[in-house]
Amino acid sequence: QKEVEQNSGPLSVPEGAIASLNCTYSDRGSQSFFWYRQYSGKSPELIMFIYSNGDKEDGRFTAQLNKASQYVSLLIRDSQPSDSATYLCAVNRGGGSEKLVFGKGTKLTVNP
Amino acid sequence: EPEVTQTPSHQVTQMGQEVILRCVPISNHLYFYWYRQILGQKVEFLVSFYNNEISEKSEIFDDQFSVERPDGSNFTLKIRSTKLEDSAMYFCASRAPPGEQYFGPGTRLTVT
Repeated sequence: QKEVEQNSGPLSVPEGAIASLNCTYSDRGSQSFFWYRQYSGKSPELIMFIYSNGDKEDGRFTAQLNKASQYVSLLIRDSQPSDSATYLCAVNRGGGSEKLVFGKGTKLTVNP
Repeated sequence: EPEVTQTPSHQVTQMGQEVILRCVPISNHLYFYWYRQILGQKVEFLVSFYNNEISEKSEIFDDQFSVERPDGSNFTLKIRSTKLEDSAMYFCASRAPPGEQYFGPGTRLTVT
């Protein structure tokens, strides 16, 4: 059973649209949830984190967490071509563990 | 803005050789990590390090791998006898408690 699952895409949206990225996780005890952006050939860059059920907004980004459904999502409003990248969902189970478990990522393309 | 740095950016080595990958974490961070990403695959946790000792390691981190903080600024990953399957991007990350993990730019290791 895969621990963190993401639709690999590619997800293609027009410039200015809302991009919606989804992630499910298998460990019900997971505590912390992260979204990283990874441009091709580059390292993961932290863009959002969320620890509690509900929504968390930061600029054009909104992270949503539903622990009962074991589901976390990232919305990108007013998508820009520079948002084109692979978005990685990462999960930490807490309880003293520092390990981040990553999904394979969703490739997003924003078309001008 | 402080960043995690890594050297070298690209390391080519022959199978069976030892390699040392170097990282300088963000200066006030206390937790340090190594991850790797084989081309086209997901980011995988190798090891976490805190208070001068390994706090957690994955199955990948076998006896061929070791980590060290030789001084107050560097954090190294050593692979004693490299295999072809060790070819990957190796990312160092660090975290200040509380806080999130920030990744360095990575070292591309090519084993021939």
